[in-house]
This record gives sequence, C-alpha cells and structure tokens, in this order.
Amino acid sequence: NAGVTQTPKFQVLKTGQSMTLQCAQDMNHNSMYWYRQDPGMGLRLIYYSASEGTTDKGEVPNGYNVSRLNKREFSLRLESAAPSQTSVYFCASSRGPPSYEQYFGPGTRLTVT
Amino acid sequence: AQSVAQPEDQVNVAEGNPLTVKCTYSVSGNPYLFWYVQYPNRGLQFLLKYITGDNLVKGSYGFEAEFNKSQTSFHLKKPSALVSDSALYFCAVRGSSGYSTLTFGKGTMLLVSP
Repeated sequence: NAGVTQTPKFQVLKTGQSMTLQCAQDMNHNSMYWYRQDPGMGLRLIYYSASEGTTDKGEVPNGYNVSRLNKREFSLRLESAAPSQTSVYFCASSRGPPSYEQYFGPGTRLTVT
Repeated sequence: AQSVAQPEDQVNVAEGNPLTVKCTYSVSGNPYLFWYVQYPNRGLQFLLKYITGDNLVKGSYGFEAEFNKSQTSFHLKKPSALVSDSALYFCAVRGSSGYSTLTFGKGTMLLVSP
C-alpha cells in the first residue's frame, strides 16, 4: 500500500515552460487535493476534486489547471510557469464521511527561474 | 469563511517537559478539527482529529488535543516531550455542513532541546 505518490520529486523550470505534476493514490479515496506550501504561509489549496469527474477551484487557482483522470489519479498542470510558482506542491486524498482526514504525498519541490 | 490561527511561530521546550501548541479557529456550525505534523522534507502526517464526542482526543505518538467550544480552541498537548517531536505542526478546520475543504493554520515549529 503506497498511499499517495507524487512525481517528480524535484523540478527546475525556466519562466514560460510548462509541466504536469502527477499524483496517484491507492486507498480508494473519493476526494483529492493539490496544495502549495510557502514559508510562513502554511498550506494553500490550489484545486480539489470532491469525487471522480468533478474539480473545483481552491484559494489560489490562478496559473494552474487540473485533471481528475480517474479515481486514482489527479494531475496539476502549469501552462506557463512563473517565478511566483516556485514552491513545494503537495497532493492529498481523503475518503470522505465519516473519516475526513487527508493523507498527503511526499511533495514536489519546484523552482522556476 | 473559516480560518485557523496558530499564534506562536515557534515553541521551545526541554525534553521531558509537557508541551502545548496552540490553535484557535473560526467556522460556521460545528467544527471538524485536525492536527498534522511535518518532518523536514516530508509530507504532512495526520496526528488526530475531533469530529464529535469527548473533548479530549488522543492521537498518534502520545499526542492529545483538547477541544474547547467556548474558547474556539483546539490545543495540541503532550505530557512529556521527546527530541524526536521536533517538527512543524499544523492545525486545520473544516465545517460540518455539506462539502467543505480544510483550512490550515500557518504552522508552529516545535523545538525540543535535550
């Protein structure tokens, strides 16, 4: 049982380049989430998918798109990377009621130069 | 809108002493409250949650948290700190009605000295 996996672990992009962050969970969870973590800012929700086939914006969606490919996989795409998107990105999943806790992946450290 | 405040950026405690990491929240309706821990270069790990029932909740690694509705607080506690408890701790809240996402606090760094 791998839990939540993310690829890649590290990535360096130049301004304007695009990339997709991949996330997969093997816990049969309904909901999946993408967060970014910046020093002193805590975790901020970018996008989430409450269930397969749905996606919604979180607190900081600008510059990002997501795809819920199936129940297991939820990807985050940066179409034109900017230095402000330098951050650590975490994917998480949760089963839903009555257990609302989220389980996190190991993160992707992204640097945009 | 829901929010979480962790008033201390850092808490220092000596090994063997009790520790408290503070959290207050604001949410419509009944709160669902969570604590997570993050070790360096790792993802967040779930520690404990309050959904309903007893105000004192016990979780992983000997941690517990006390829900206080009148003070809108959910402080994390441990009777005897270990050096290995040194990490970043996050409090999070969500509302109990409908579908709601988690809102995290900014985190409190716990440093336990030998």
